[in-house]
Amino acid sequence: SAVISQKPSRDICQRGTSLTIQCQVDSQVTMMFWYRQQPGQSLTLIATANQGSEATYESGFVIDKFPISRPNLTFSTLTVSNMSPEDSSIYLCSVEYGPPYEQYFGPGTRLTVT
Amino acid sequence: GDSVTQMEGPVTLSEEAFLTINCTYTATGYPSLFWYVQYPGEGLQLLLKATKADDKGSNKGFEATYRKETTSFHLEKGSVQVSDSAVYFCALSRDSNYQLIWGAGTKLIIKP
Repeated sequence: SAVISQKPSRDICQRGTSLTIQCQVDSQVTMMFWYRQQPGQSLTLIATANQGSEATYESGFVIDKFPISRPNLTFSTLTVSNMSPEDSSIYLCSVEYGPPYEQYFGPGTRLTVT
Repeated sequence: GDSVTQMEGPVTLSEEAFLTINCTYTATGYPSLFWYVQYPGEGLQLLLKATKADDKGSNKGFEATYRKETTSFHLEKGSVQVSDSAVYFCALSRDSNYQLIWGAGTKLIIKP
């Protein structure tokens, strides 16, 4: 299995500022994913981040708002830019690891924007 | 497009009751099917999975059978415990990529 850590675990931020969330994996993985989970709701995929290529964003998410870095096979960052209260959510990092290939999730970053 | 539909929660049961959480899917071809669990304050964990029709995934007393004829993957447990209280997510993925399509999640509350 893959063990994933995220930093910070939670943060309270002011409107208009930016927060960078870090995701560290204990194994080398090709595919990493960033999700958003709004309170009491399911997961929404923000983007897929493969090492050595630009992240692929899902409909409704743009690079200017959620820039992603993937400098190596064990690390990625997601920045939430120019935050508004609507960005308050849990942000989850996950990786595809195997075989057998399964998705493993980090503990999440709980973001509150005031 | 592909989708997953779960029964709405919360589902409230007494300890030792039988549990069923319904999950149906819409997809072309033969997706893999998953159940994930999210305990309070924790991250998502893979509970079980099935990769082809009639496969049964099982873990920690939970079971789910991949039923292609009814496009279902219902989660069952014969005797639930208070520690099973969590949110359960059904999901599918296509073989061609590893993106997961998620159900809305079902909150399970087990009372002693």
